[in-house]
Amino acid sequence: EAAVTQSPRNKVAVTGGKVTLSCNQTNNHNNMYWYRQDTGHGLRLIHYSYGAGSTEKGDIPDGYKASRPSQENFSLILELATPSQTSVYFCASGDWGEDTQYFGPGTRLLVL
Amino acid sequence: GEQVEQRPPHLSVREGDSAVITCTYTDPNSYYFFWYKQEPGASLQLLMKVFSSTEINEGQGFTVLLNKKDKRLSLNLTAAHPGDSAAYFCAVSAWSGSFNKLTFGAGTRLAVCP
Repeated sequence: EAAVTQSPRNKVAVTGGKVTLSCNQTNNHNNMYWYRQDTGHGLRLIHYSYGAGSTEKGDIPDGYKASRPSQENFSLILELATPSQTSVYFCASGDWGEDTQYFGPGTRLLVL
Repeated sequence: GEQVEQRPPHLSVREGDSAVITCTYTDPNSYYFFWYKQEPGASLQLLMKVFSSTEINEGQGFTVLLNKKDKRLSLNLTAAHPGDSAAYFCAVSAWSGSFNKLTFGAGTRLAVCP
């Protein structure tokens, strides 16, 4: 089973501050994803990546950037955090052509 | 794009009763279907992956039914126990441009009372 880790697990940020959420996977999966989870919405895709150096916009990319510096690492960046970005963020990974996604433990972000 | 509707949003059953959660989807080209379980404060755990060619799958204590004609996916916990208390999410996979995209239902919060 894929091992996906996220850091930090909890984060409190101030409005207008920069936040970076990190994700690491050790199963050499090509694809990585960032979702946010809000009550009543399930999981919504923010950004995804096919491999090192690639990032693509998902369904709700506004206010977020992503970075994939290596096969193992995928970061989500909030340049100017807003209270509406308070949420739980999940990273996932999966192999190209294999639809199953394996999720990390999540990061709970509170923007004050 | 794909729309996935999941019902009910909340479900409370007694231990030993069955619990049924249903998702409907819109894209007829969807071909993989998933159920995930999320315990409080935890991540999503894959319960079952269903291929478009399979209609019924049985897992440990649950059954998944896929009806492609009605574009409906259901999860039936046959004899619920307190350890089943969690949030359950369906997800549907379909090609979106150049990648396999998962679209999630909004989730069902299940409470199993002793």
